[in-house]
Amino acid sequence: AQSVSQHNHHVILSEAASLELGCNYSYGGTVNLFWYVQYPGQHLQLLLKYFSGDPLVKGIKGFEAEFIKSKFSFNLRKPSVQWSDTAEYFCAVRLNAGNNRKLIWGLGTSLAVNP
Amino acid sequence: DAGVIQSPRHEVTEMGQEVTLRCKPISGHNSLFWYRQTMMRGLELLIYFNNNVPIDDSGMPEDRFSAKMPNASFSTLKIQPSEPRDSAVYFCASSPWDAGASGYTFGSGTRLTVV
Repeated sequence: AQSVSQHNHHVILSEAASLELGCNYSYGGTVNLFWYVQYPGQHLQLLLKYFSGDPLVKGIKGFEAEFIKSKFSFNLRKPSVQWSDTAEYFCAVRLNAGNNRKLIWGLGTSLAVNP
Repeated sequence: DAGVIQSPRHEVTEMGQEVTLRCKPISGHNSLFWYRQTMMRGLELLIYFNNNVPIDDSGMPEDRFSAKMPNASFSTLKIQPSEPRDSAVYFCASSPWDAGASGYTFGSGTRLTVV
């Protein structure tokens, strides 16, 4: 069955440190890829998405992600984190098959940034 | 646009009672999704609709759960009878047909507590 793996369950960083959160999926066909962020007590918000074209995608708040098709990966990066980036981060994949509208979600990575 | 609107924000009910959660998707979005989020199981897709028609309800836990979408601007998720293990945050999300422009937009969620 198709799945999405987020390798890091909990990450703790100091402000200004660089961030990379891993995301891998298992599906050999065409995919759409998403990263969502959930701040404490809030709903999920779209950070960035990849559908096609340049595999390096830039999102909001200085985040970016790179789609590496050969590695089935879509890792999220930020060069310098801030305390306000403390949140839960979710990777999601939509299998681009037919009329499929479902997203397959990773279990999330909890990021804590210490001031 | 006001985004995806869910009500109530919080619901506390006694075991055995009927609970109805409501969702108003973004106008013009063709797809609507109901998710449940818990610490143990993460984000689970319960059911989704395309053009008001239920497409995939394989995530609905059991017959106690039912969802309807009588028109393009309103959906309900009903639990009858409710049980303590149903306690979770329930999110509604909507998207355009191809989800290309904005991805999937989530509502603020309903935090359900069954005592």
